[in-house]
Amino acid sequence: SQQGEEDPQALSIQEGENATMNCSYKTSINNLQWYRQNSGRGLVHLILIRSNEREKHSGRLRVTLDTSKKSSSLLITASRAADTASYFCATDGSARQLTFGSGTQLTVLP
Amino acid sequence: DGGITQSPKYLFRKEGQNVTLSCEQNLNHDAMYWYRQDPGQGLRLIYYSQIVNDFQKGDIAEGYSVSREKKESFPLTVTSAQKNPTAFYLCASSLVAGVYNEQFFGPGTRLTVL
Repeated sequence: SQQGEEDPQALSIQEGENATMNCSYKTSINNLQWYRQNSGRGLVHLILIRSNEREKHSGRLRVTLDTSKKSSSLLITASRAADTASYFCATDGSARQLTFGSGTQLTVLP
Repeated sequence: DGGITQSPKYLFRKEGQNVTLSCEQNLNHDAMYWYRQDPGQGLRLIYYSQIVNDFQKGDIAEGYSVSREKKESFPLTVTSAQKNPTAFYLCASSLVAGVYNEQFFGPGTRLTVL
């Protein structure tokens, strides 16, 4: 039961550019979370945005949420080679469970 | 990877064998989770536990079993009934169960069936 879907599936940019990833979901949510996964590793939580919030910042990360369009975006500013990873959105699906999308693979070229 | 450890990092299994993946956390979290990740895909929930001696099936529980006898430990057994077990398995925990809490992940176990 996949709730969130990221777009694009893959993104390649130059170091210093901004990277934007989008997440769309189907049913109403209480919150939406973004996670990062380096190749072959576990996921790391980046940011959580609640359904009554529209925008949230954390360092070089900016997340927006548009509940009317059922979508969220993750912006990474001034990207670095170390930002190369897969990025997943996760939404609350059935009770007490998070549902993860398929992810966006971001490659930042030096 | 925080305070969650998974072992082994790599595991090879012959068809017909049961194998157990270990997950331990020292974060004093009540809730623990097991996910399966296939190449190029997101995570799918196998089982989760909200508290000791309690666990619930996730979306793909068939062919798997778990136990939660201690707060710190949530081992996953991949049984011979799981027809396609080759995958990357991730364990996670959160302070309490519920979708408002961030989850902390272990480094994963890559299981390959020979």
